[in-house]
Amino acid sequence: SQQGEEDPQALSIQEGENATMNCSYKTSINNLQWYRQNSGRGLVHLILIRSNEREKHSGRLRVTLDTSKKSSSLLITASRAADTASYFCATRGGGNKLTFGTGTQLKVEL
Amino acid sequence: GAGVSQSPSNKVTEKGKDVELRCDPISGHTALYWYRQRLGQGLEFLIYFQGNSAPDKSGLPSDRFSAERTGESVSTLTIQRTQQEDSAVYLCASSLDRTNEQYFGPGTRLTVT
Repeated sequence: SQQGEEDPQALSIQEGENATMNCSYKTSINNLQWYRQNSGRGLVHLILIRSNEREKHSGRLRVTLDTSKKSSSLLITASRAADTASYFCATRGGGNKLTFGTGTQLKVEL
Repeated sequence: GAGVSQSPSNKVTEKGKDVELRCDPISGHTALYWYRQRLGQGLEFLIYFQGNSAPDKSGLPSDRFSAERTGESVSTLTIQRTQQEDSAVYLCASSLDRTNEQYFGPGTRLTVT
């Protein structure tokens, strides 16, 4: 079963705009990770935020985590056409596996 | 250095045949994971290896699915008597240990006709 649910399912923006994707999850976590997937193949790890962190930055990426609401957001600033991809959140609880959400398909148009 | 590699990249097989999918993790990564991704969907966890042992097989959908890992390196996912619903991209990932971020291979696209 899916732990995370991303919102929106699809997002289309113009190059230069910011893109915000949200993720909600159900159970307690140790960390939450965001991944990008191009063309339905391999995933690329973007950023990891631990349960005791509230915000993290990496380049044009900003991730927030609200454990009281069991939600996270990924903000991509100044988007580029190359950011077009599917974005997944994944949560790691006390066990060994990552549980992935259903993904947000981002399209950045020129 | 080299990333995670998987082979074959594409596999078309007839219903009822067995298939083997291979994953070569990043050298030194003790944890290895298999996932399945059906078209347009998120990733489903299948199995996790720590070294050559599989402490978590909870995601294997049926006894037709099995996996092994040898030399704390290469892993093989075997699907016996394939069914059309097995058609998906099978992704392998490895990490330094179970707490670290995972590095994914390009996947094997399996099509069962």
